[in-house]
Amino acid sequence: QSVLSHPPSASGTPGQRVTISCSGTSSNIGDNTVNWYQQLPGTAPKLLIYRNTQRPSGVPDRFSGSNSGTSASLAISGLQSEDEADYYCAAWDDSLNAWLFGGGTKVTVL
Amino acid sequence: QLQLVQSGAEVKKPGASVKVSCKASGDTFIGYYIHWVRQAPGHGLEWMGWIYPKSGGTNYAQKFQGRVTMTRDMSINTAYLELSRLKSDDTAIYYCARDLYGWGDSYMDVWGRGTTVIVSS
Repeated sequence: QSVLSHPPSASGTPGQRVTISCSGTSSNIGDNTVNWYQQLPGTAPKLLIYRNTQRPSGVPDRFSGSNSGTSASLAISGLQSEDEADYYCAAWDDSLNAWLFGGGTKVTVL
Repeated sequence: QLQLVQSGAEVKKPGASVKVSCKASGDTFIGYYIHWVRQAPGHGLEWMGWIYPKSGGTNYAQKFQGRVTMTRDMSINTAYLELSRLKSDDTAIYYCARDLYGWGDSYMDVWGRGTTVIVSS
């Protein structure tokens, strides 16, 4: 069982805004920044958001991240069919001295 | 631009060991950390640990301590993951990923394509 909590699924129609939450504790999200990874079917994870809000070069600005206390969120605005994927949050945990991943949220475009 | 090229799929029997490689191509991994993350079929991502190739220092997830060994060969820019006493639930895709700092506010920005390991009698 993942220490970082995700809803297992989220969905929306094309053009809608979808938000995915990630809940942690004071030893991980509460004390370190959060990264988000996108995993398209059959491919390796790809860095989508780093340090809570930063987008790597090439990631559309439809994707945005935020962080508040022991929770973080990923928002996808203007949902597109190619956004169908699994999304994972990740954060370092100071107590466990380990990286934690959320269980993943499957986003479906209806 | 750095690419991480991983070795091919492996099929092993329970109790055996497997060694997976991750070669840096297009750039060196000196100064970076190399993480190993695995994904069992239908499941999420699970961090196994990292190696700092420059010093050889390692940090293993508690779950894998005693069964995992991460090494590197600087002469060929390659990192290795060895997992021993394999069980059926070690069947997974094993990914390597690059990271600048290893912990805290860092992040894994380049990933290999993964190596499938199947454990079956």
